[in-house]
Amino acid sequence: EDQVTQSPEALRLQEGESSSLNCSYTVSGLRGLFWYRQDPGKGPEFLFTLYSAGEEKEKERLKATLTKKESFLHITAPKPEDSATYLCAVQPSGYSTLTFGKGTMLLVSP
Amino acid sequence: NAGVTQTPKFRVLKTGQSMTLLCAQDMNHEYMYWYRQDPGMGLRLIHYSVGEGTTAKGEVPDGYNVSRLKKQNFLLGLESAAPSQTSVYFCASSRPGTTDTQYFGPGTRLTVL
Repeated sequence: EDQVTQSPEALRLQEGESSSLNCSYTVSGLRGLFWYRQDPGKGPEFLFTLYSAGEEKEKERLKATLTKKESFLHITAPKPEDSATYLCAVQPSGYSTLTFGKGTMLLVSP
Repeated sequence: NAGVTQTPKFRVLKTGQSMTLLCAQDMNHEYMYWYRQDPGMGLRLIHYSVGEGTTAKGEVPDGYNVSRLKKQNFLLGLESAAPSQTSVYFCASSRPGTTDTQYFGPGTRLTVL
């Protein structure tokens, strides 16, 4: 059974204080690992897809990395507008469906 | 493009009532999905469709039915609502291929009393 575990459940940072969110996964074969951002009362918004170990992708203050067992979402010098819940999901090889983790709620204080 | 839209945004039902949630996408995507999101549980897949006229069960299909009569629409039905179906429902769509990225709608908040 595919499993995705995100940690921590919640993270509070001061503006400018860099940190990382973790996504550990178990899947028989990985087609892709996805990161989404979700603001309160809204639907998840796509951020990144990673396909193979060693791959990295960046967008503004966010950088996602992937190993064979986990992915990290690094947040550099965060701003209050980065406050959101960040979701990680895996797509097994041969399937079109995603298995989501429970998310990390990030709060960035000014 | 509007992307993925969901109707209604909010709904309150009494136990035993029925309703249909509508999802529409204008991106010409083949695949469509229905999820529910509950506190502490994350997003869980209810049903999905890989094409017009086809549907399949996800992780939590009991108590729900779906139909995909047109490529751009995916309907989620509750025949006899129960309080356990109080949740936020999200629809998503994707195009099979190199990315398989799912794009989500804004959600429907359903309360069953």
